[in-house]
Amino acid sequence: DADVTQTPRNRITKTGKRIMLECSQTKGHDRMYWYRQDPGLGLRLIYYSFDVKDINKGEISDGYSVSRQAQAKFSLSLESAIPNQTALYFCATSDLGTGNTEAFFGQGTRLTVV
Amino acid sequence: QQPVQSPQAVILREGEDAVINCSSSKALYSVHWYRQKHGEAPVFLMILLKGGEQKGHDKISASFNEKKQQSSLYLTASQLSYSGTYFCGTENNAGNMLTFGGGTRLMVKP
Repeated sequence: DADVTQTPRNRITKTGKRIMLECSQTKGHDRMYWYRQDPGLGLRLIYYSFDVKDINKGEISDGYSVSRQAQAKFSLSLESAIPNQTALYFCATSDLGTGNTEAFFGQGTRLTVV
Repeated sequence: QQPVQSPQAVILREGEDAVINCSSSKALYSVHWYRQKHGEAPVFLMILLKGGEQKGHDKISASFNEKKQQSSLYLTASQLSYSGTYFCGTENNAGNMLTFGGGTRLMVKP
């Protein structure tokens, strides 16, 4: 099994619908991230969490919300999806220590809003 | 703020060398480098901590100039397998969030 698992892997949804992307990890890491990837724009940070009670906005949080249900689970929601939220979404985890904070990525969720 | 990467794209022949640069407007605690193959997740290459260290494995190495808030990734004698998009990621302070640059697309041709 993968260390970081994202579901679904692909999703097509209609404008205005609510959708949730889920991420779970078996690494035991405290830090979890949601990134969005668009061609030419790299990986942009949406939200991040350093523990269950610590949730922070990233660079592009408007239109998104998150929930950290447990140390191992971090969900991203689009309350009312719009076409420009069509993108590849990645969840990532890393250790909270210093020095060895390598990020482990899930396989990504390709979201299309029509 | 996202770090800035340059160049945006590079095309090489097998055996040629390349340098990818990453710079930040803020003080950096660490710099990460990742490679992403098309349709796959980014994969960790190395991390450099402030102190000006240089790291490498195989023919890929990197340097980190803390004072200039810059890092460079060096690919020597490139192989076809080096093709992909390279991302630098930065942490401003120990235990802070990890933000990524826009990526550099590297294509190695036979």
